[in-house]
Amino acid sequence: QKEVEQNSGPLSVPEGAIASLNCTYSDRGSQSFFWYRQYSGKSPELIMSIYSNGDKEDGRFTAQLNKASQYVSLLIRDSQPSDSATYLCAVSYNQGGKLIFGQGTELSVKP
Amino acid sequence: KAGVTQTPRYLIKTRGQQVTLSCSPISGHRSVSWYQQTPGQGLQFLFEYFSETQRNKGNFPGRFSGRQFSNSRSEMNVSTLELGDSALYLCASSFALNYGYTFGSGTRLTVV
Repeated sequence: QKEVEQNSGPLSVPEGAIASLNCTYSDRGSQSFFWYRQYSGKSPELIMSIYSNGDKEDGRFTAQLNKASQYVSLLIRDSQPSDSATYLCAVSYNQGGKLIFGQGTELSVKP
Repeated sequence: KAGVTQTPRYLIKTRGQQVTLSCSPISGHRSVSWYQQTPGQGLQFLFEYFSETQRNKGNFPGRFSGRQFSNSRSEMNVSTLELGDSALYLCASSFALNYGYTFGSGTRLTVV
């Protein structure tokens, strides 16, 4: 059973701090990795994708991938209250469109 | 550019009935996936279509089925509804896997 694990949280950080979200996956054949943000009552929104080892930065967001350790992380710099949401890690195991999602980490940014 | 459109947004059905949900992907997107989201199980993959062919299927009973039309629009059908089918059903589309998937707003299905 291919699994994606995330700390459920809630993770609480003060405004302006760095939020660090982590995800581990079980299958070494994993090829593509995504982070989605989901506000309460809304659908998931793609915020980052990463495919090779290392860091990928986009604005305040940095995704980090380490295939040897089978983990992927998301850093949010200068966290804002508007970043408060559930962050979902998703992993693709083949060339098709099947994504395996973690249970999500709830992030709360306190003003 | 229009996003992924799902209809209807809300649906209430009775146990034993069947339901059809519709999804129109972003223009140019040929891959369409369906997911079920519940508080207990999270987001679970149902199936994925590409160019009218089902490429992947999740671990759901045969009561759950889908199809994709030549214009990439997709439908999913659930027959003989059970109370446990109450969930948010999400459709997502992609131009190619490496671009990630864009989700629609979902259809909230309640089975009573």
